[in-house]
Amino acid sequence: GDSVTQMEGPVTLSEEAFLTINCTYTATGYPSLFWYVQYPGEGLQLLLKATKADDKGSNKGFEATYRKETTSFHLEKGSVQVSDSAVYFCVRGSGGYQKVTFGTGTKLQVIP
Amino acid sequence: DGGITQSPKYLFRKEGQNVTLSCEQNLNHDAMYWYRQDPGQGLRLIYYSQIVNDFQKGDIAEGYSVSREKKESFPLTVTSAQKNPTAFYLCASSIDWDRYSNTEAFFGQGTRLTVV
Repeated sequence: GDSVTQMEGPVTLSEEAFLTINCTYTATGYPSLFWYVQYPGEGLQLLLKATKADDKGSNKGFEATYRKETTSFHLEKGSVQVSDSAVYFCVRGSGGYQKVTFGTGTKLQVIP
Repeated sequence: DGGITQSPKYLFRKEGQNVTLSCEQNLNHDAMYWYRQDPGQGLRLIYYSQIVNDFQKGDIAEGYSVSREKKESFPLTVTSAQKNPTAFYLCASSIDWDRYSNTEAFFGQGTRLTVV
């Protein structure tokens, strides 16, 4: 079946470090791809999305590019802040099948 | 402000009890969803509703029940048949079911259920 694979956490970075969280997805159909963020004790919020190959989603300094050739949607940020500490979920929407698959989440901890 | 409200934030259940988790949205969304989140796992779909008076089982529906009598409300009951109910429960909504895979889902802040 459809799946999403994220790098395992936790990821610990110093403030202002560069962030990459890897995500790969199964290539069946024409999925949309999302990154959601979950702050401690809260629900998920959409961070960014891309709906077709080569699209780049961006928000709050985070970016991710839909790479069909490598079936990847890696999340990046050039300079993380303490306030970015959260769990990040890569999510695959499988288009016409209306099924949404969540990755297991990657916990990011940014230390001052 | 529009959004989804879940209550209570924390809930404790004794063995053999049924408990109901509330989920209300004022976004005028047709579709609503219940997910279960366990440590180290992604979200797993319990039930979903495409429209009022309709709902369907998700991947892990056993031991749970729902109703959708009003567009705004989608309560989840965790029954005594659910063998391992301790988890974080998230309710979500989207404009409609057909576009869920391509559009944003809005989530509540979750209910943490603990069996005591």
